[in-house]
This record gives sequence, structure tokens and C-alpha cells, in this order.
Amino acid sequence: DTEVTQTPKHLVMGMTNKKSLKCEQHMGHRAMYWYKQKAKKPPELMFVYSYEKLSINESVPSRFSPECPNSSLLNLHLHALQPEDSALYLCASSSPTRGQDNSPLHFGNGTRLTVT
Amino acid sequence: AQSVTQLDSQVPVFEEAPVELRCNYSSSVSVYLFWYVQYPNQGLQLLLKYLSGSTLVKGINGFEAEFNKSQTSFHLRKPSVHISDTAEYFCAVSDTGNQFYFGTGTSLTVIP
Repeated sequence: DTEVTQTPKHLVMGMTNKKSLKCEQHMGHRAMYWYKQKAKKPPELMFVYSYEKLSINESVPSRFSPECPNSSLLNLHLHALQPEDSALYLCASSSPTRGQDNSPLHFGNGTRLTVT
Repeated sequence: AQSVTQLDSQVPVFEEAPVELRCNYSSSVSVYLFWYVQYPNQGLQLLLKYLSGSTLVKGINGFEAEFNKSQTSFHLRKPSVHISDTAEYFCAVSDTGNQFYFGTGTSLTVIP
């Protein structure tokens, strides 16, 4: 069982649809991440929120829009996606205490997204 | 930025045999090192971590890793593998609070 919960587990959407991926953690972690992972590849960082503020945006296309409503929740809003956006989207959290840089990432099980 | 190298993309090994998965990273003043395992259709699960202290780190499922600063390596080992160890293994490095760098992964296949 993972302490980071992602919904839905699977999502199929057309290129004109709007959908959202959701992530929740109750470990008190203050950093939350979105990663994209293609088959047999390592996770690619998309966004990082630190203390509910966007701290890293890895030049992700604007059709992906992150949102962090509070310290436990992280959303990824999807609009006008392309078939090449089909992938496993992973949420992760960590608890980097200010001045201490060694907390590991805790991952959810991901959302398997297929864009048709 | 750090770079992480996992030279072996695929490692087949017979059941109950020992295994070593290699990981090398680019040098830095101080780094934190991690090994993750990913089973099919799941997220990444932390196997073990090196933050400081003893260079030999023990993790879950009987895995261990040794931090070697002079060789900038953090190889993962298990003395006797099981079928259930078949999975993708990722080495990761962090040198700041929010940045993690992943290797390309090693696919471990345990043969009955």
C-alpha cells in the first residue's frame, strides 16, 4: 500500500477533452511533484510544489496545468492533449525540512493515461 | 546538475543466485543516494537510501547497497534473488532538497 493516493488509476481521453488527475498525501510532506513516465524509462520531472508554491516547472507544455489547493492535495489539469502525452503520470511527495536536504520521494501508483 | 549512470539496462539472473546492479553518479560536494524498485503497473517504491554515516546500507526485501565516494558508486546487491524480485530498478541522486536525478533503470529478470 502506498501513502500517496492517485485517482483515477486509468484514464482514456480524447484530444479535445478536459480532465484532471488528483493526488493526495497525509504524511505532512511539504513538497509535491508530478512526474511523467514512458514505458521502460525513468520518471521525467514535470512540476514541483514546495510549501504550496510552484518552485519548479520543467518547461512543460501549457496543456498541462498544475494546481496545489492545500498542503495535502495536488492536481494536474489536462486540456487538448496529444497522443504522445499517453504515459504513466506519477505523483510524489517528500518532506524537505528547511536546511535539511535528504528526504526521499514517496510515490503514488500513478494514473495510466491514454490519449486517443 | 547531477547525472546518474546505470550501465546495465537488463540483468537476467537465476533464482537463488546473487545479483549486483550498478549505479554511478557525477561527483558533488555531498549527495544523497536512493534505490527504487518498480513492479509492473505500480509506482516507484523506496528500497533503501544513503544519507550519511555507514557506507553499507540495508534496505527492504534483503537488498543492500554500498556507497563508495572515491568511485562515485552506489551499487545494489542481493545475495540470493527470488522470482518476486523481477522488476525495474532505478538509482537516484539528490543534492538539494527538491531535485532528484534518476538513472535510466535496470530491468532485473529472475529466471526459475
